[in-house]
Amino acid sequence: AQTVTQSQPEMSVQEAETVTLSCTYDTSESDYYLFWYKQPPSRQMILVIRQEAYKQQNATENRFSVNFQKAAKSFSLKISDSQLGDAAMYFCAYRRVPSGSARQLTFGSGTQLTVLP
Amino acid sequence: DAGVIQSPRHEVTEMGQEVTLRCKPISGHDYLFWYRQTMMRGLELLIYFNNNVPIDDSGMPEDRFSAKMPNASFSTLKIQPSEPRDSAVYFCASSLAGGHETQYFGPGTRLLVL
Repeated sequence: AQTVTQSQPEMSVQEAETVTLSCTYDTSESDYYLFWYKQPPSRQMILVIRQEAYKQQNATENRFSVNFQKAAKSFSLKISDSQLGDAAMYFCAYRRVPSGSARQLTFGSGTQLTVLP
Repeated sequence: DAGVIQSPRHEVTEMGQEVTLRCKPISGHDYLFWYRQTMMRGLELLIYFNNNVPIDDSGMPEDRFSAKMPNASFSTLKIQPSEPRDSAVYFCASSLAGGHETQYFGPGTRLLVL
């Protein structure tokens, strides 16, 4: 079974600085998708960024980028120029390439990010 | 575009009562997922549908839980009878078949069973 591990329960960053959130996963699959979701105090789950395992290029969405290391099974999220609105719980999630009934997301336990003014 | 819509946003009920949670997926999406979030267990899949048909309900905790999807634009998750341990945030998500099939989540329903 796939597992996703986020070893940092809490992180803090100064406004305008850069922070990196860590995520590792375990799978025997060669093709899969990885996601970062953000959950602010409103509890809404918001997609931040997505990475396809077959792509070597790291995904980027504005201030958010990932460092995808397939051999190491590592998928970290970098937030540049941190803003107060970035404060939230961040979840790393894994999903194998859709096949049969295995379409669910497997989530990590989350990292609570605090942004200090 | 409207996102996934869930109702109610908050529900407080007493043990033994029936609870019905509702979800409207994004128009055109053919997969619908129900997740539950608790402090102890994190986010876990309860059940998902493809084209209104339940595909995997292995995450449904017990017979007190049931889910239906009578049409492409509506799904319900019912708990009968409810128990305090059912207190959680319940999320509905939907996705479109093909490619990355990214799941988009609704705002969740926070359920408190007293």
